[in-house]
Amino acid sequence: DSGVTQTPKHLITATGQRVTLRCSPRSGDLSVYWYQQSLDQGLQFLIQYYNGEERAKGNILERFSAQQFPDLHSELNLSSLELGDSALYFCASSVVQGALAGVTGELFFGEGSRLTVL
Amino acid sequence: SQQGEEDPQALSIQEGENATMNCSYKTSINNLQWYRQNSGRGLVHLILIRSNEREKHSGRLRVTLDTSKKSSSLLITASRAADTASYFCATGALRAQKLVFGQGTRLTINP
Repeated sequence: DSGVTQTPKHLITATGQRVTLRCSPRSGDLSVYWYQQSLDQGLQFLIQYYNGEERAKGNILERFSAQQFPDLHSELNLSSLELGDSALYFCASSVVQGALAGVTGELFFGEGSRLTVL
Repeated sequence: SQQGEEDPQALSIQEGENATMNCSYKTSINNLQWYRQNSGRGLVHLILIRSNEREKHSGRLRVTLDTSKKSSSLLITASRAADTASYFCATGALRAQKLVFGQGTRLTINP
């Protein structure tokens, strides 16, 4: 058990719909990362938050948005869903190493949310 | 595009044999990490090697890093059926706030 909790585990929805994926990081971890894993694209970095602020952005679509709340949990919102959005969405957390900015240490991954868009 | 590329994409060996997976990357890094993923599960961190380190060991795992060649290798010795999983390398680029993962190597250990 990594200590990172993701809900829901499975989600089936239709095209055009909107879903929210939730992540609770490990106790004490200030950074939250979101990744998308699909068969043809591998593990793609979406976005990272540190203590409530967006710190890095990857290949995140405009239809997707995320935020990190004061209690450090994070939500990933996916809207106007398309068939190609079907994937495993992972949340990971970490403690930023010391005072060094831009250093990513060990990530602790949740078990993922499997999204199926029909 | 992915920063790291693993080679081979798939590897099948007999239990007890050693398994070696390679990773190549493109830009300067702060550290390189290896993760394991059982089918459909979350990734689990195995080992982190910093850019100023050349080799690191953890149990049956041995990781090497050659920054001049921008490559790393993961060696699993005395493999077990339970080692069957996908293995990913991930690079932390300098002044980057993210880890970039490769496509992974699917390792199958045959009993």
